[in-house]
Amino acid sequence: GAVVSQHPSRVICKSGTSVKIECRSLDFQATTMFWYRQFPKQSLMLMATSNEGSKATYEQGVEKDKFLINHASLTLSTLTVTSAHPEDSSFYICSARLRGGLGEQFFGPGTRLTVL
Amino acid sequence: QQPVQSPQAVILREGEDAVINCSSSKALYSVHWYRQKHGEAPVFLMILLKGGEQKGHEKISASFNEKKQQSSLYLTASQLSYSGTYFCGTDRNTGTASKLTFGTGTRLQVTL
Repeated sequence: GAVVSQHPSRVICKSGTSVKIECRSLDFQATTMFWYRQFPKQSLMLMATSNEGSKATYEQGVEKDKFLINHASLTLSTLTVTSAHPEDSSFYICSARLRGGLGEQFFGPGTRLTVL
Repeated sequence: QQPVQSPQAVILREGEDAVINCSSSKALYSVHWYRQKHGEAPVFLMILLKGGEQKGHEKISASFNEKKQQSSLYLTASQLSYSGTYFCGTDRNTGTASKLTFGTGTRLQVTL
């Protein structure tokens, strides 16, 4: 149980284009999902908290107009990187918090974004 | 502020034990432990809530000292599969305000 999928697993795009990443909780409902980015050999940095049916809460320094988050249902959240630039290249990971649990988060497999 | 983990890296022979520490500068409600293998997502190991209760998961256990704002992860009789980077995630809140701040990470390598 507690499986989270993420799609795509890898994407290469040209500078200036937008990329959408999907995060789904497959066998449980998640009222809250989180989006992280991780640079090589570094820790996970929280970008935003996504609550079903409401606006996402962004961490300080994260541009909400650049990283658009939509949490349309209890099992799906999407992150859209708009007008991507090479500095946006990173490993993006989503997680879903188990509804009714103690707060544990389960992570998707991640998306490797490379912006040329 | 990001929790600090120690050591930064450790190399073990199979069967040896290790302790990974996580220290926060702020009061905590809970501490979560995850293991991440290269190129993969973090895998949830365990969660410790305020109260200092020690928890166990096979040969991996952890403790949480809320007064010292510290948690330790204990790996006993390590196996090759234990290799990876361990992160603690600390949470200062509960309920809908809950969110994790991940520590600096500890790279663990288990060799034959």
